[in-house]
Amino acid sequence: ILMTQSPATLSVSPGERAALSCRASHNVNSNLAWYQQKPGQAPRLLIYGASTRVTGIPARFSGSGSGTEFTLTFSSLQSEDFAVYYCQQYNDWPLTFGGGTKVEIK
Amino acid sequence: EVQVVESGGGLVRPGGSLRLSCAASGFDVSSNFMSWVRQTPEKGLEWLAVIHSGDGTYYADSVKDRFTISRDNSKNTLYLQMNSLKVEDTAVYYCARVPGLQYYFDYWGQGALVTVSS
Repeated sequence: ILMTQSPATLSVSPGERAALSCRASHNVNSNLAWYQQKPGQAPRLLIYGASTRVTGIPARFSGSGSGTEFTLTFSSLQSEDFAVYYCQQYNDWPLTFGGGTKVEIK
Repeated sequence: EVQVVESGGGLVRPGGSLRLSCAASGFDVSSNFMSWVRQTPEKGLEWLAVIHSGDGTYYADSVKDRFTISRDNSKNTLYLQMNSLKVEDTAVYYCARVPGLQYYFDYWGQGALVTVSS
């Protein structure tokens, strides 16, 4: 299953709302996770089941969607949120990741 | 505290072999599903292999028959034996825990760099 993320880069000012898109080439139901990766660090799980936040992840992060269209939304971007975000489907083998969206400071 | 720490990365010639280790703490690898994922600037994140708590394994086509995932429960350590290495296997390799039958990754190591070059 091919996972396509858009845009590749998103320039946002701190405090602004932003939304990232992840599209699956086939239905993955709600078997989708989102990760955040900062330079030199491993990816960190933010959301699984398309919309369930991991314990400790701020409420400003929210995930939505099912089937083939998914969105990760930031209600108000903070300085620590500037990073690369990846989606991953786990509905079918092989497990696959999107190419990532880099969220940068505008 | 749950933690996984990879080791064993380095420089290897094409056709060579290398074994990565992933030492876990804060949980038992024997009762968890564990996986390896690699990352390159060109291909991004690529899932490679998973081992189930019952020792079943599953591999990506790109590494099947060349890589072997295993674990030593007495050492609470996961391994990735990599044989017949190719230049395109150059990547940062992460071990990650799979929290059950939902195959996402909740804890990741810091990564081990493997460079395949002559």
